[in-house]
Amino acid sequence: AQSVSQHNHHVILSEAASLELGCNYSYGGTVNLFWYVQYPGQHLQLLLKYFSGDPLVKGIKGFEAEFIKSKFSFNLRKPSVQWSDTAEYFCAVRSGGYNKLIFGAGTRLAVHP
Amino acid sequence: NAGVTQTPKFRILKIGQSMTLQCAQDMNHNYMYWYRQDPGMGLKLIYYSVGAGITDKGEVPNGYNVSRSTTEDFPLRLELAAPSQTSVYFCASTDASGRAKAGELFFGEGSRLTVL
Repeated sequence: AQSVSQHNHHVILSEAASLELGCNYSYGGTVNLFWYVQYPGQHLQLLLKYFSGDPLVKGIKGFEAEFIKSKFSFNLRKPSVQWSDTAEYFCAVRSGGYNKLIFGAGTRLAVHP
Repeated sequence: NAGVTQTPKFRILKIGQSMTLQCAQDMNHNYMYWYRQDPGMGLKLIYYSVGAGITDKGEVPNGYNVSRSTTEDFPLRLELAAPSQTSVYFCASTDASGRAKAGELFFGEGSRLTVL
């Protein structure tokens, strides 16, 4: 069965610091990968996704992620975080048909002004 | 559009009680899902549906039941509540057609359930 691992459960940064959140998946075949974000008090929403092609994908709010097939990784990055990026971030992989997603445990990011 | 609407937002149940979490979407999505979110565990798929009258089990279906009589509604029923079902429940939906939207789930705001 597919699985998703997120290495950091809690990350604390100061504004303007760079961010990288790790994500590894277990499946070796063709994968569709996603990052979702949950801001405090809000519902989960899609940040970005990878299906094929350019392994560097850009999402909303200046986030990007790089798919590295040899490392089974899909790390999320942002060059300079803002206080408003405080949220919980979930990596996910599409598993089988019907758009079912398997989620990682999530990473709580706190950005201090 | 309201998107995905879940009710109630909060509920406390006693062990052995039953209840239904309601989920409705107004985007005419074929696919709907129920996930539960436990601290440090991410989201686990409970049940999903690919259309009215069609449902199937996800990773953690035990203790739950679903039905899908219409495209819009996908209620989740807990028959005999247990403390292990204390969690935050999320309903989601997506459009089945086209790669552009594939995997883009639209989530409700969640229902926080506590079983004491």
